[in-house]
Amino acid sequence: DIQMTQSPSSLSASVGDRVTITCRASQTMSNYLNWYQQKPGEAPKLLIYASSRLQSGVPSRFSGSGSGTDFTLTISSLQPEDFATYYCQQSYSIPKTFGQGTKVEVK
Amino acid sequence: QVRLVQSGAEVKKPGASVKVSCKTSGYTFTGFYVHWVRQAPGQGLEWVGWINPNSGDADYSQKFHGRVSLTRDTAVNTVYMELRGLTSDDTAVFFCARDSLGIDSWGQGTLVSVST
Repeated sequence: DIQMTQSPSSLSASVGDRVTITCRASQTMSNYLNWYQQKPGEAPKLLIYASSRLQSGVPSRFSGSGSGTDFTLTISSLQPEDFATYYCQQSYSIPKTFGQGTKVEVK
Repeated sequence: QVRLVQSGAEVKKPGASVKVSCKTSGYTFTGFYVHWVRQAPGQGLEWVGWINPNSGDADYSQKFHGRVSLTRDTAVNTVYMELRGLTSDDTAVFFCARDSLGIDSWGQGTLVSVST
């Protein structure tokens, strides 16, 4: 199984900050990496697929990069609605594992 | 629009089984795999398995040790997840979700509570 490790597990930030979350895979997987945002009591929402492709309707302040084993989600200017938990997920092989999540909290 | 609507909350005793349904609409049912994802209270997302609604073939996480089965009924565009041998560790919200360049559409979640 491919293990996905996110860092940090949580972070505190202010509106307007640039936020970066990383995800490392235990083996190489090209660009088969997706990012999701989840708010309490809601289903996750797809933000980025194939490492860097922005899902339709997602604001352009979200971006993704990386290939192989190391991936990054960046929020260029944090907005109030962005305080949430973010998960990476590999779609390269079965089981399609998720990272443990990164909670973005108000500083 | 794409919709996945899940059955309601369940309360089960240890050792029992649960079957959760996921009714889809707004797209070609046989054209997209459907995932199931578990989320225990206050915890992260855990992939359970997925099913190809066209063939009925499914893949599962080994973590569930053969306790889970995914099936589908093409006549009603619905996917089902059955989980057997429930323990308190299975208390969680289970989501069904469509696969399309990432998991792009999710059901509302079904809470399964396991308690004596």
